[in-house]
Amino acid sequence: DQQVKQNSPSLSVQEGRISILNCDYTNSMFDYFLWYKKYPAEGPTFLISISSIKDKNEDGRFTVFLNKSAKHLSLHIVPSQPGDSAVYFCAASEKRSSGDKLTFGTGTRLAVRP
Amino acid sequence: SQTIHQWPATLVQPVGSPLSLECTVEGTSNPNLYWYRQAAGRGLQLLFYSVGIGQISSEVPQNLSASRPQDRQFILSSKKLLLSDSGFYLCAWTLRSLGNIQYFGAGTRLSVL
Repeated sequence: DQQVKQNSPSLSVQEGRISILNCDYTNSMFDYFLWYKKYPAEGPTFLISISSIKDKNEDGRFTVFLNKSAKHLSLHIVPSQPGDSAVYFCAASEKRSSGDKLTFGTGTRLAVRP
Repeated sequence: SQTIHQWPATLVQPVGSPLSLECTVEGTSNPNLYWYRQAAGRGLQLLFYSVGIGQISSEVPQNLSASRPQDRQFILSSKKLLLSDSGFYLCAWTLRSLGNIQYFGAGTRLSVL
């Protein structure tokens, strides 16, 4: 059972435009959400996170939105740059989970066209 | 500052051979440690995690095992590799004070032939 879903395996965006990556989850116990960026043959790097007590968190060009009622979060990148081309994973953790585990989605490959 | 080291970067092993991947973290104490696998075209699957020396939790039944002989050392092993063990293996760490943000190593690309 995939508790965190990224239904778009790929996304192509023109440089300078907005990239919107989406993520849905099913477990209502998730209370903390993260986005990671991954280049080929490298480990994922942390981008931005949001707690369930918020609905928006912003860090430079990156903004994460959380809609708890819809169990949906999204990552907005504005403006998109060619260096943003990578695979983006959303992840979630559950309240008081043993070992502070993260559940990851399957990833969305973003291609930013010059 | 904290750093995580994972080696080797690439490994090609025959079916039936043993496996040992090592991960060490520097600059912190008592981290939670994790092993993930990313199979081709798939997401990150949590294999094992550890909240302390000698404490290992397995997330999925498989041909692999993990050990934590020291506070900042996490080892992934197999006695006999299968073709299906091929993939990209990632080690990660976190501290409770970091709010569940996990930091990943560079990964090991394992090809079982």
